[in-house]
Amino acid sequence: AQRVTQPEKLLSVFKGAPVELKCNYSYSGSPELFWYVQYSRQRLQLLLRHISRESIKGFTADLNKGETSFHLKKPFAQEEDSAMYYCALSLGSSNTGKLIFGQGTTLQVKP
Amino acid sequence: SQTIHQWPATLVQPVGSPLSLECTVEGTSNPNLYWYRQAAGRGLQLLFYSVGIGQISSEVPQNLSASRPQDRQFILSSKKLLLSDSGFYLCAWSSKQGANTEAFFGQGTRLTVV
Repeated sequence: AQRVTQPEKLLSVFKGAPVELKCNYSYSGSPELFWYVQYSRQRLQLLLRHISRESIKGFTADLNKGETSFHLKKPFAQEEDSAMYYCALSLGSSNTGKLIFGQGTTLQVKP
Repeated sequence: SQTIHQWPATLVQPVGSPLSLECTVEGTSNPNLYWYRQAAGRGLQLLFYSVGIGQISSEVPQNLSASRPQDRQFILSSKKLLLSDSGFYLCAWSSKQGANTEAFFGQGTRLTVV
């Protein structure tokens, strides 16, 4: 069965420290992977997608098919990065439409 | 531009009462539609998704059901609510056009069953 696992419920770091939010997935097909973020009192929104290979707000994520991982990284955390982060796996928006999320990781950046 | 509306924002219902949460999307056609429940410690749990009118896929056995009577309308229902149905419910949509498409979320409904 398809699954997304985020092993850390809470990650607390100091401002300026590196951040890595872990995500592992289970899917036998070609995965479409995303990171979503939910800031306080805001809607859940897309942060980045693996296909774009882009850096958003200093965050990057690399798909490692061998390790079935899609960890989110940022070299220097900022206080405004504090939020809930979800890793998501799509089985193909044009096919099954199924989109599943991990349990989420709360990132807390302390001053 | 596309928008997604979800209502009500909050709801308090007694145990055993029926439930109907509605979600509508504007500015797009033939979207994929989703209902999620967001719970502390359990993340974002997919409840139902739909790729078209009348086509509903259920992900978890539960006291809830979903319907899609129109292309851009997605309804979450229950005939008799349980205390365990309390939670934060999110509706979302995504396009079928292309790959790696983004999902857009509503503001959510906070349901408290008392």
